[in-house]
Amino acid sequence: EAGVAQSPRYKIIEKRQSVAFWCNPISGHATLYWYQQILGQGPKLLIQFQNNGVVDDSQLPKDRFSAERLKGVDSTLKIQPAKLEDSAVYLCASEGKADTQYFGPGTRLTVL
Amino acid sequence: AQSVTQPDIHITVSEGASLELRCNYSYGATPYLFWYVQSPGQGLQLLLKYFSGDTLVQGIKGFEAEFKRSQSSFNLRKPSVHWSDAAEYFCAVGPFYGNKLVFGAGTILRVKS
Repeated sequence: EAGVAQSPRYKIIEKRQSVAFWCNPISGHATLYWYQQILGQGPKLLIQFQNNGVVDDSQLPKDRFSAERLKGVDSTLKIQPAKLEDSAVYLCASEGKADTQYFGPGTRLTVL
Repeated sequence: AQSVTQPDIHITVSEGASLELRCNYSYGATPYLFWYVQSPGQGLQLLLKYFSGDTLVQGIKGFEAEFKRSQSSFNLRKPSVHWSDAAEYFCAVGPFYGNKLVFGAGTILRVKS
């Protein structure tokens, strides 16, 4: 069974630029999560999808971050415009019926 | 407030020695508890989980964890550490609204030969 796929693995941008990350969850997993992991901290949830609907986006900075999950499979997370404090690893996780989240390798974003 | 505390930021153990990583949580009911491991440049890999039943849980790579309700703890143990176990370990608790998890800040394990 293929795991959670994410791309790109690394991205370097300048502040005020925009960036997008892509996630392909494990086949059949209805729930998808995006996390932000700042260096030295644990992952912090940004947004949770159930199929193509948003369950929880209470911690998503909506003035600059957006996410979508069209057709209930792949998802994209966008930042526009990026700030220095957005430098972090962005992790995608998916969950099936076993109440267990499986994580992708993450995208490391550096904002200069 | 619901939270997870991992008191040790760094731990160094000798190869072959035993290991215990601490995790304390605050949760209003019987929690779901997880341990994940993260190697440099990688995502999080599930080591083990506790939902209910036997409080001693076996995981992958020879790890185990014990749920102690009275102490609100879920400590991770391994009897003999290998150099390949060097990584960062995260404890997580849930479920919160929408099955959400809250993660601790992590413990970095260094293994010396």
